[in-house]
Amino acid sequence: QQQVKQSPQSLIVQKGGISIINCAYENTAFDYFPWYQQFPGKGPALLIAIRPDVSEKKEGRFTISFNKSAKQFSLHIMDSQPGDSATYFCAASWPGGYQKVTFGIGTKLQVIP
Amino acid sequence: DGGITQSPKYLFRKEGQNVTLSCEQNLNHDAMYWYRQDPGQGLRLIYYSQIVNDFQKGDIAEGYSVSREKKESFPLTVTSAQKNPTAFYLCASSILLLDAGELFFGEGSRLTVL
Repeated sequence: QQQVKQSPQSLIVQKGGISIINCAYENTAFDYFPWYQQFPGKGPALLIAIRPDVSEKKEGRFTISFNKSAKQFSLHIMDSQPGDSATYFCAASWPGGYQKVTFGIGTKLQVIP
Repeated sequence: DGGITQSPKYLFRKEGQNVTLSCEQNLNHDAMYWYRQDPGQGLRLIYYSQIVNDFQKGDIAEGYSVSREKKESFPLTVTSAQKNPTAFYLCASSILLLDAGELFFGEGSRLTVL
């Protein structure tokens, strides 16, 4: 059972365009929503994260939009660059004495010149 | 530099053999994790450990075993009971807090069963 649904699985964007990746969740106990970026042959690294008490968080060209009522959140990459080509994972976790993160299936982004 | 070191980076195994993947961290993190990554399936949790000498099964623990004898080390053994072991394995760690936080990943180990 997939607790975090991510789409699309692959995305091709032209350089300078906006990349948008969407995620939806069911468990209302989730209270931390990170996005991880993974380059080929490497481990994922935290890109940006948000908590449900805010609707948007921006760090440079990367923005998370969060809709608590719809249980959806999305990653926007503005002015996409070829160096952004990677796989992006959304994730969600909840407190409970330990950290256990549930990941989406990933989106492979290709930014073409 | 602090980080997580996984070895080997590539490993080939014959069917019926057990293999052990190494994971060492010098971040002084309490919690450590093993994930398996397959195309189109994201990252799935195999085992996790909150403290030394304690570990818990994740979502896909069958055919795997772990130990946590030292805070810095969390090796994963892929046993012959694992039916489909070919995958990319990722070790991660985090500060153990009641609140959620960042996972730090190693560079992964790619296991291929011949």
